[in-house]
Amino acid sequence: DTAVSQTPKYLVTQMGNDKSIKCEQNLGHDTMYWYKQDSKKFLKIMFSYNNKELIINETVPNRFSPKSPDKAHLNLHINSLELGDSAVYFCASSLTLYDSFNVLTFGAGSRLTVL
Amino acid sequence: GQNIDQPTEMTATEGAIVQINCTYQTSGFNGLFWYQQHAGEAPTFLSYNVLDGLEEKGRFSSFLSRSKGYSYLLLKELQMKDSASYLCAAMDSNYQLIWGAGTKLIIKP
Repeated sequence: DTAVSQTPKYLVTQMGNDKSIKCEQNLGHDTMYWYKQDSKKFLKIMFSYNNKELIINETVPNRFSPKSPDKAHLNLHINSLELGDSAVYFCASSLTLYDSFNVLTFGAGSRLTVL
Repeated sequence: GQNIDQPTEMTATEGAIVQINCTYQTSGFNGLFWYQQHAGEAPTFLSYNVLDGLEEKGRFSSFLSRSKGYSYLLLKELQMKDSASYLCAAMDSNYQLIWGAGTKLIIKP
């Protein structure tokens, strides 16, 4: 039973296309996140949702739109893909947001390649 | 600004001990996390320190000095499977995690 599952694992697409990545967690956590990990391996927070409510929206282009239909799901839609969007996108969840001992459980990652 | 520094890469020998250092600057502090990330896989939680001192968990230990803004991860009796990147992350006063770029640890036989 995968705790945080995201699909697809690999995405290869052309510039200008629109794509979506789905994420689901079965841990009963209240908080979910999208992270981007680029070729230099920096993990950068993009969005966090707490009980379906957007909490953090870092300086991400508005081509990226997260959607949380319920607290177990957080999807990421990307419009008009650009070369610089190529990266690994990780979904993660945690029990809650406002707690110092806030351990993240990550999904396996979705590797997006924009040609 | 907020910042995490850790070495880019380290090499060690199987069976040996290695210490991976991390220095941090954050607005407030709510704890220091270490995660392990094998190539092509997701990061997984290793340890958490919020008070000064050493936390030991099997072959892995993590140390924190809040006054120095410094932590280290100590790995003993290194095994080939310990080859991975080790990510240091500090939590600021807004409960946001500030991540380092990770230290790639290469274990040689």
